[in-house]
Amino acid sequence: DAKTTQPNSMESNEEEPVHLPCNHSTISGTDYIHWYRQLPSQGPEYVIHGLTSNVNNRMASLAIAEDRKSSTLILHRATLRDAAVYYCILRDKSRAGGFKTIFGAGTRLFVKA
Amino acid sequence: NAGVMQNPRHLVRRRGQEARLRCSPMKGHSHVYWYRQLPEEGLKFMVYLQKENIIDESGMPKERFSAEFPKEGPSILRIQQVVRGDSAAYFCASSPPGGSASYNEQFFGPGTRLTVL
Repeated sequence: DAKTTQPNSMESNEEEPVHLPCNHSTISGTDYIHWYRQLPSQGPEYVIHGLTSNVNNRMASLAIAEDRKSSTLILHRATLRDAAVYYCILRDKSRAGGFKTIFGAGTRLFVKA
Repeated sequence: NAGVMQNPRHLVRRRGQEARLRCSPMKGHSHVYWYRQLPEEGLKFMVYLQKENIIDESGMPKERFSAEFPKEGPSILRIQQVVRGDSAAYFCASSPPGGSASYNEQFFGPGTRLTVL
């Protein structure tokens, strides 16, 4: 299974942009890049996903490198509510034909007021 | 449209007892996934089910753990003869059928926190 590498933690000031990096050098051609986040004591929630092109939605933007070996999740204006663990995930088709999600350790984002 | 529901939210069991965790997927979703999260760790995939079928159980311990997703009713994760090491948060996720599932979003429930005394 292709794996991702993220920094253990990052810190940001409130109202400032945050760039969360992710390396996935062994990504395969059909792997989609997903980002989820997990707020304290909650289940993960979907943030954004992409394949090759940069993507934007109401929560964040996803910038994908041209060689697809890395990507960056961009929160345009961090708020205290964005303090969470952010997971960069490659959606992988399992050998049995289904689709499971392999979570790494993620990046714990601290937001300072 | 209610989200993924899990119950109970908290479950306390003594060593040797059985734990049953329930997951009701979102309406219209036919794919269910179970994940386990040990304290201060990331989520680990356990099992992927579709209605009445186990599709991938590569992350499920070979003994004491079982999962089902019957034609009617919620998905059940069952842990027999629980041990202290089973204490964790268990999350269920669901996703819709069809399409190119590589990019299908998974919707997660709030989790069941199992404590084994």
